[in-house]
Amino acid sequence: QVQLQQSGTELVKPASSVKISCKASGYTFTSNYMHWIRQQPGNGLEWIGWIYPGNGNTKYNQKFDGKATLTADKSSSTAYMQLSSLTSEDSAVYFCARGYYDGYYHYWYFDFWGPGTMVTVSS
Amino acid sequence: DIQMTQSPSVLSASVGDRVTLNCKASQNINKYLNWYQQKLGEAPKLLIYNTNNLQTGIPSRFSGSGSGTDYTLTISSLQPEDVATYFCFQHNSWPLTFGSGTKLEIK
Repeated sequence: QVQLQQSGTELVKPASSVKISCKASGYTFTSNYMHWIRQQPGNGLEWIGWIYPGNGNTKYNQKFDGKATLTADKSSSTAYMQLSSLTSEDSAVYFCARGYYDGYYHYWYFDFWGPGTMVTVSS
Repeated sequence: DIQMTQSPSVLSASVGDRVTLNCKASQNINKYLNWYQQKLGEAPKLLIYNTNNLQTGIPSRFSGSGSGTDYTLTISSLQPEDVATYFCFQHNSWPLTFGSGTKLEIK
């Protein structure tokens, strides 16, 4: 069965960086996109970007350019997101989600999600 | 960016009611619209993709419709376990965007 296991809660200081992980199992990691989504406290969902672990290609929401960096380790089937220059605005729950893309009809959906990683930025 | 506006923001209904949630896009999204359900403290769960396609394992009381800029999620007979926040999501254009959510409560 498909599972996405995310790293634990992070408490980090302003201006620092943090790297959170998403370990995939139960499917072919390199053949599926991995998306990252942010949910700030009491707020809705924001799409950050995707990585295709098979070739390392990425696409970002322009809002997160320079803030988020997506990488993937094929040997451990783990996707990573590094967040830099952290401010209180970056305090949120971050989800990874497997992205299914239909290349013929050009549609997306996120069918499996990790449980989320809470990042709190505070001095 | 395409803005997704959901209404109402909070909906209170009784068990057994037919419930309709609305989602309006700021421009035509060509039916590239998904619905997610998020229960408190959990990750979102895919209910419907491409406007009206029910994800595997989702009860048939959930259905979706719409076109152009206007979309709806309907629950034909509300159940207690449907208490959640529902988000619409467009994947027609980059960046992909979510609506702000409708919180569904039981009266």
